Amino acid sequence: DAKTTQPTSMDCAEGRAANLPCNHSTISGNEYVYWYRQIHSQGPQYIIHGLKNNETNEMASLIITEDRKSSTLILPHATLRDTAVYYCIVRPLIQGAQKLVFGQGTRLTINP
Amino acid sequence: SQTIHQWPATLVQPVGSPLSLECTVEGTSNPNLYWYRQAAGRGLQLLFYSVGIGQISSEVPQNLSASRPQDRQFILSSKKLLLSDSGFYLCAWSSIHVENYGYTFGSGTRLTVV
Repeated sequence: DAKTTQPTSMDCAEGRAANLPCNHSTISGNEYVYWYRQIHSQGPQYIIHGLKNNETNEMASLIITEDRKSSTLILPHATLRDTAVYYCIVRPLIQGAQKLVFGQGTRLTINP
Repeated sequence: SQTIHQWPATLVQPVGSPLSLECTVEGTSNPNLYWYRQAAGRGLQLLFYSVGIGQISSEVPQNLSASRPQDRQFILSSKKLLLSDSGFYLCAWSSIHVENYGYTFGSGTRLTVV
């Protein structure tokens, strides 16, 4: 899997948009960008994924740069429950075991 | 809908004792299954994955083994636990269908070896 680089930690005020960056400068053409988050003492939770177009779902938006070397996960109106470690992962969408390799992620703290 | 069950939620075991953690998936067939471990303050490490009954791939050498006796059952075992086996163990599944992309994780087992 291509490597990703994320800030170790970030803070955001409740109600504001949280923008989490991720660098993946060695991403290959067939690799997708995935975001997961892990709330303390729980299993990771899938958030969103994308290839090259921006994506939005009920949880978040994903903005991928035109050269695909970086992306930003946006939580539009952060709540205290969004406090978690956020993982950015790149991997190809292929059949067979789809191993996810987790890095250290970004510890996002939402402050009241 | 698909659900994943993992038990027990917490476990305290003495060094040298055996271990058996079980994970089952409902609502899907022929899932890819995974075991991850997260040591205290550390990241998630993939231990084993399986693409079918009896098919186990190990990612790292360790004191643990995995088995898949049934399509939707994944078991993590050890004959003799070490202190270093303490951690948060997570089971996960993913669909064999390419278009279904996400992993779904269980709620985890927190193992403390004493």
